Order: sequence, then C-alpha cells, then structure tokens
Amino acid sequence: DAGVIQSPRHEVTEMGQEVTLRCKPISGHNSLFWYRQTMMRGLELLIYFNNNVPIDDSGMPEDRFSAKMPNASFSTLKIQPSEPRDSAVYFCASSFLGALQETQYFGPGTRLLVL
Amino acid sequence: AQSVTQPDIHITVSEGASLELRCNYSYGATPYLFWYVQSPGQGLQLLLKYFSGDTLVQGIKGFEAEFKRSQSSFNLRKPSVHWSDAAEYFCAVGSSSNDYKLSFGAGTTVTVRA
Repeated sequence: DAGVIQSPRHEVTEMGQEVTLRCKPISGHNSLFWYRQTMMRGLELLIYFNNNVPIDDSGMPEDRFSAKMPNASFSTLKIQPSEPRDSAVYFCASSFLGALQETQYFGPGTRLLVL
Repeated sequence: AQSVTQPDIHITVSEGASLELRCNYSYGATPYLFWYVQSPGQGLQLLLKYFSGDTLVQGIKGFEAEFKRSQSSFNLRKPSVHWSDAAEYFCAVGSSSNDYKLSFGAGTTVTVRA
C-alpha cells in the first residue's frame, strides 16, 4: 500500500485566499484524522471521521475551517479565508476502526504558509 | 484531562551511545501510551505502544519503553543509537474513555553526532 497520501506537500498562499488540503487514507481504513502541527501548540487533533462521518470536530479552530469526507478514500480540509496564523504543517492520519488499539498511520503532511 | 510532558526539548548523543528520552503523563486511570518518531519532512511513525500487561514494551528500530505507574512515566530507550535515529520523538497519551484521541507531548529533537 502507498500509505496515507496528502496533497499538496507545500502550499504558499496570500491572506484571504481559500486553501484546500487533500488526503487519501489507506485503503480499508475507516477512520481518518486531521492534525495541525505548530511550534506554539504542538500537534493537535482538528477533526476525526469514522465511516465518513465527523465524530469529533471540537479541535477545529473556527468557522473558517471545514472538513469533508465524501467517501472512504478521500477527505478535504478547507480554510476560507486563510490567515497568517494558519501557517502550520497539516497531517492526515488513518486507522482501521479508529480505536487507539489500532495504529494511526500518518501522511507526510502539507506545509502551509500564509503570507 | 490527559496531558503529556517531555522535559527535554533537544538531546545530542554520540553514535553508538545509549539514548533515553523522558515522558511524563497526567491521567487518572491507566493510560494508553505511545511513542512516535518524525523524521525531517515526514509524517509520524509509531515506534511502540503500551495498553496493559508487561510494563517493558519492545518496539521497532531497536527501541523499548518502560511504563512506571509510580512515576507516571513512559521513557523511551535505545542501547546504541545510529545516525539514522536523528529525528523528533513524540510521546502521546490516550484513554479508554475517549478511545480515538491522542494528546501529544511537545517533542524531543535528537541529534546524533559522529
């Protein structure tokens, strides 16, 4: 398997623009996680999907952030409008069943810079 | 709420020397504990995990960790480091009551000198 695939790997945009990050989980995994990594806050969970349904979005910073999972093989994280403080590395991870007994496999991340 | 502290921000170790990374957790019940490694430009990879049973856990790449309830610790060790072990290491804690959520420590960066 190719592992978790994220695109783009790097994104530079200007404040106010819309940003869309994409994730393809490992085939057969029914749980998907979006994380954000910053120097100030470390690694934090933004949203968790199970069977394509958002289960916990309490980590989503504000209404500018939205995430969707239209099918088992694709998810997006959208920021609209983007702000400089959104600059971070965004990771997608997937696991089988979602429970912690199952390993979460992380993608390589998308490094976002908002100017 | 569960939380994790990694007291060391940066550790430098010589190749072939032993390595120990510290992790302290805060959680009322028996925690689920994890160590992940992040190489530059890469995602996180699970090294090992502890849920119950034997408190000494073996992982990949020659790493092991020991759960010590009395000290609320889960320190990671490797007897002899290789240059390829240079990376950032994250300790994480989860719980059975919220069994998908991981709380990560701030990470420890390991530099390996020749």
